Amino acid sequence: GAGVSQSPSNKVTEKGKDVELRCDPISGHTALYWYRQRLGQGLEFLIYFQGNSAPDKSGLPSDRFSAERTGESVSTLTIQRTQQEDSAVYLCASSSLGQWTSGNTIYFGEGSWLTVV
Amino acid sequence: GENVEQHPSTLSVQEGDSAVIKCTYSDSASNYFPWYKQELGKRPQLIIDIRSNVGEKKDQRIAVTLNKTAKHFSLHITETQPEDSAVYFCAARPPPGGYNKLIFGAGTRLAVHP
Repeated sequence: GAGVSQSPSNKVTEKGKDVELRCDPISGHTALYWYRQRLGQGLEFLIYFQGNSAPDKSGLPSDRFSAERTGESVSTLTIQRTQQEDSAVYLCASSSLGQWTSGNTIYFGEGSWLTVV
Repeated sequence: GENVEQHPSTLSVQEGDSAVIKCTYSDSASNYFPWYKQELGKRPQLIIDIRSNVGEKKDQRIAVTLNKTAKHFSLHITETQPEDSAVYFCAARPPPGGYNKLIFGAGTRLAVHP
């Protein structure tokens, strides 16, 4: 597609429910990132996928958070038993090359705005 | 791991003045430093980047400088305009051998007053 696509764009859920957020990266992009951005705050790294390598999960805040990606396509971020502190924008980004040998731009999606009530 | 600090957290300037935002990074082997602009309610978008083999890069009213010895890099915006008002994020990319994730600074909220 033309850009990184995320769905849903907005989600309101009750505390304790599970949510699934979807990211469709730019076609051909091998690297995919999830970031969390709380209101008025910075970009908090969650997880990074690069091709078929094991993902870097070092940013996931708890075991309630998980993410999957099949090959170089769609990724889903799942939050189980949501808490109010999970309320944030979840931004997905992709880039064309995971190797650092040349700088590569990461492109962000519009984000999924999650509100836990 | 890499850690990026960004200052100031907020910056207010008059239209036409210059604005400077500074970032420091911890990993001397980091080699790629992009800057992203995020307007209210929108996605972050790349505005300029610099690689570690370059000391300065310009694009119209925007420039970025890199001091590898001191491990800091700065964004300079000249002749600021109201539409420059946004949150700006710096980032650094750690060296190879690990993962290619960008580490972002906490952001600077720039307000340009007419």
